[in-house]
Amino acid sequence: DAGVIQSPRHEVTEMGQEVTLRCKPISGHDYLFWYRQTMMRGLELLIYFNNNVPIDDSGMPEDRFSAKMPNASFSNLKIQPSEPRDSAVYFCASTHRDPNQPQHFGDGTRLSIL
Amino acid sequence: ILNVEQSPQSLHVQEGDSTNFTCSFPSSNFYALHWYRWETAKSPEALFVMTLNGDEKKKGRISATLNTKEGYSYLYIKGSQPEDSATYLCAFIRDNYGQNFVFGPGTRLSVLP
Repeated sequence: DAGVIQSPRHEVTEMGQEVTLRCKPISGHDYLFWYRQTMMRGLELLIYFNNNVPIDDSGMPEDRFSAKMPNASFSNLKIQPSEPRDSAVYFCASTHRDPNQPQHFGDGTRLSIL
Repeated sequence: ILNVEQSPQSLHVQEGDSTNFTCSFPSSNFYALHWYRWETAKSPEALFVMTLNGDEKKKGRISATLNTKEGYSYLYIKGSQPEDSATYLCAFIRDNYGQNFVFGPGTRLSVLP
């Protein structure tokens, strides 16, 4: 089991640039979540998908953020244009609908916007 | 807006001490409660998944209880070790429609040798 795979692990870019974060969920999982970790807010849910369909994107901070899941094995989170306040660690997680199954997290992408 | 609270916010204990923390969640529309352990610079890892009122789960020196009627769960660590130092998160799932996950703010535990 390869686990949830996120790329890149680290991203440093200048403000105004487009940033794309990628996630490959565990095969067979039908839920995928994007989280952002900040000092102020802790772990906050940005958006989640069920069977590739976005279910709740109310946590997406603003229109600069977008996320897609074109198929069951891939999702991306885009920030365009990026701003320094977007600097954070972004986690992707996946799970089954079964409530007895926990979420499995990727290693996260540490994003720094200069 | 779901409100999931954890207390205390942070805790410092000596090696060998036993400790416990609390997760409070809405008592209506309960579906499941998860506990995660989150070490610095790593990703959260699941400790327990609890779905039934009165559930008690145990993994080594760590155990958890669940009271869905009053909306709380306790996590206990017996004989704390320095490697137990981490942030402990609880996550509440509401109803069985979708997976509306809400994480608590976490309890940061530091175990001093």
